Amino acid sequence: RKEVEQDPGPFNVPEGATVAFNCTYSNSASQSFFWYRQDCRKEPKLLMSVYSSGNEDGRFTAQLNRASQYISLLIRDSKLSDSATYLCVVLYNTDKLIFGTGTRLQVFP
Amino acid sequence: DAGITQSPRHKVTETGTPVTLRCHQTENHRYMYWYRQDPGHGLRLIHYSYGVKDTDKGEVSDGYSVSRSKTEDFLLTLESATSSQTSVYFCAISEGPGTGPSGGTEAFFGQGTRLTVV
Repeated sequence: RKEVEQDPGPFNVPEGATVAFNCTYSNSASQSFFWYRQDCRKEPKLLMSVYSSGNEDGRFTAQLNRASQYISLLIRDSKLSDSATYLCVVLYNTDKLIFGTGTRLQVFP
Repeated sequence: DAGITQSPRHKVTETGTPVTLRCHQTENHRYMYWYRQDPGHGLRLIHYSYGVKDTDKGEVSDGYSVSRSKTEDFLLTLESATSSQTSVYFCAISEGPGTGPSGGTEAFFGQGTRLTVV
């Protein structure tokens, strides 16, 4: 079983739609959680950190459920520019950053 | 953008030859990571470093070695390249855990090195 698992997608949604991604992790001792965005043939970049209380940044909302060991990312009012791969990232053992395989999102007009 | 550069950006090499990839940072971050990215596998951790001369293995370390003799440089060496090591390699840097409000800080990535072993 992979340490961090994501649905690979692709998710194809129209502009303006709301889309949600989930990610599960296997190590209950994981400390920190992040969502990264990766555009085609580019390096990953931080989208947002995920706090225990949940957090929001504009159209993006991240949630953490430690009891069920999953993280979610909600994107509201999708834009064409949101098309990318979204990577779930977990910090293990204080220093190992482990990535999920990513979920591909394609927003169409 | 964070000061992190990878070299070379592209390389084609023959099976059995040694290859060294370089990651250079100007941010004085403590942690440096090497990942490989392949279709269907996402980003997988090869090795990482938590200080000068302090390194540890990741999930796919076989066939790779690393060295960090200075804070700013982290080298990844393929002692004898194989076709299975054809991949895109990313270096990342981080200040380290426990230094941000979420308990961990952002990792910044280099632009990647596309390595082809023929």
